[in-house]
Amino acid sequence: AQKVTQAQTEISVVEKEDVTLDCVYETRDTTYYLFWYKQPPSGELVFLIRRNSFDEQNEISGRYSWNFQKSTSSFNFTITASQVVDSAVYFCALSEAGGGSYIPTFGRGTSLIVHP
Amino acid sequence: GEEVAQTPKHLVRGEGQKAKLYCAPIKGHSYVFWYQQVLKNEFKFLISFQNENVFDETGMPKERFSAKCLPNSPCSLEIQATKLEDSAVYFCASSQSPLAGANEQFFGPGTRLTVL
Repeated sequence: AQKVTQAQTEISVVEKEDVTLDCVYETRDTTYYLFWYKQPPSGELVFLIRRNSFDEQNEISGRYSWNFQKSTSSFNFTITASQVVDSAVYFCALSEAGGGSYIPTFGRGTSLIVHP
Repeated sequence: GEEVAQTPKHLVRGEGQKAKLYCAPIKGHSYVFWYQQVLKNEFKFLISFQNENVFDETGMPKERFSAKCLPNSPCSLEIQATKLEDSAVYFCASSQSPLAGANEQFFGPGTRLTVL
């Protein structure tokens, strides 16, 4: 069974600080996908990244970077030089090949508050 | 359209009343998914469709909940005889691929259902 753990319920930082959001997953499948989504206060869900289990290369997109480590079953997300607009709830999700429908399981989310 | 559209934005129902939510997927997307998010926490998968056919309904409550995706009409999620615990934000997502979790799901803005 698939499981996603986001141990940090809430993180509070001051603008320009770097912050890392942790995501640990459990799966028995060798083929799976990992995602990060952002949910700002307005409520919509914004896709940030998808990573498949065969690609451990880290990714950087502007101030965002992701560190995928299969050895520790983690897919952590770092925001460099945080800004107030980064304040949101961030969800990590996992979907497995087993069963065929690849329905993602979401973590409980980490609420990030960036103070000016 | 270029975005997943959900109506209404907010819906208030008295306990025992019926609630009906609508979702128009992105044009060209064959797969539609419904999720329930309670108290800004994790997303619970409800049901998915491939065009008008149910693809996966493993998350759908057996009683009171039903969903349809008919040709040339928005998809719908209906709750008969709502209960207080049905209060949540219901998100619809669409995808081009049957490997839903393997590809990006585009989420709608959600419908906030409040049951009084």
